[in-house]
Amino acid sequence: SQKIEQNSEALNIQEGKTATLTCNYTNYSPAYLQWYRQDPGRGPVFLLLIRENEKEKRKERLKVTFDTTLKQSLFHITASQPADSATYLCALGFTGGFKTIFGAGTRLFVKA
Amino acid sequence: NAGVTQTPKFQVLKTGQSMTLQCAQDMNHNSMYWYRQDPGMGLRLIYYSASEGTTDKGEVPNGYNVSRLNKREFSLRLESAAPSQTSVYFCASSEMGPNTGELFFGEGSRLTVL
Repeated sequence: SQKIEQNSEALNIQEGKTATLTCNYTNYSPAYLQWYRQDPGRGPVFLLLIRENEKEKRKERLKVTFDTTLKQSLFHITASQPADSATYLCALGFTGGFKTIFGAGTRLFVKA
Repeated sequence: NAGVTQTPKFQVLKTGQSMTLQCAQDMNHNSMYWYRQDPGMGLRLIYYSASEGTTDKGEVPNGYNVSRLNKREFSLRLESAAPSQTSVYFCASSEMGPNTGELFFGEGSRLTVL
């Protein structure tokens, strides 16, 4: 069956450390993968998009990797801050389609 | 810039009642979407409109109807609400298909069906 999985358990880290979130999928062949941030009671906000032919992408303190052989994406936040505390969603996208598939998200808590 | 605006933000319905969720975007995007979000599950696509004048079913369309009123507005209708439709509903838009860019989401409409 087709699945997209993110750690259901919350991730707790200390301020200043690097947070690493994982997104795994099975029986999908996405053309690209996106990461979104969602704060409680708010809509998701786009962070990064990485395409299947890209291994890594960076934006400020964020880094995303995409391994189509392992069917996995890693999302890193370096020098994390309490303001980074939120739920992070990964999403798979497909060529020519509009049906983006979302994971359930991982809750990140950054302690001061 | 307001982005994507949804109304109402909260609604309580009784089983069997009908209602319409409204969505408008001011970014001149071609494509619009309705998702629902339930605890422990990812956002699931209900319906989408690739461009003005077209609508298509997503993953969970049963019990819903949509109307793309014009380029700006995309509404979601529950004809006869059921408790299983208790959820948070998000409207989103994108410039073209989501292949080339991000989805812009509204703040959500929280619906409870008793």
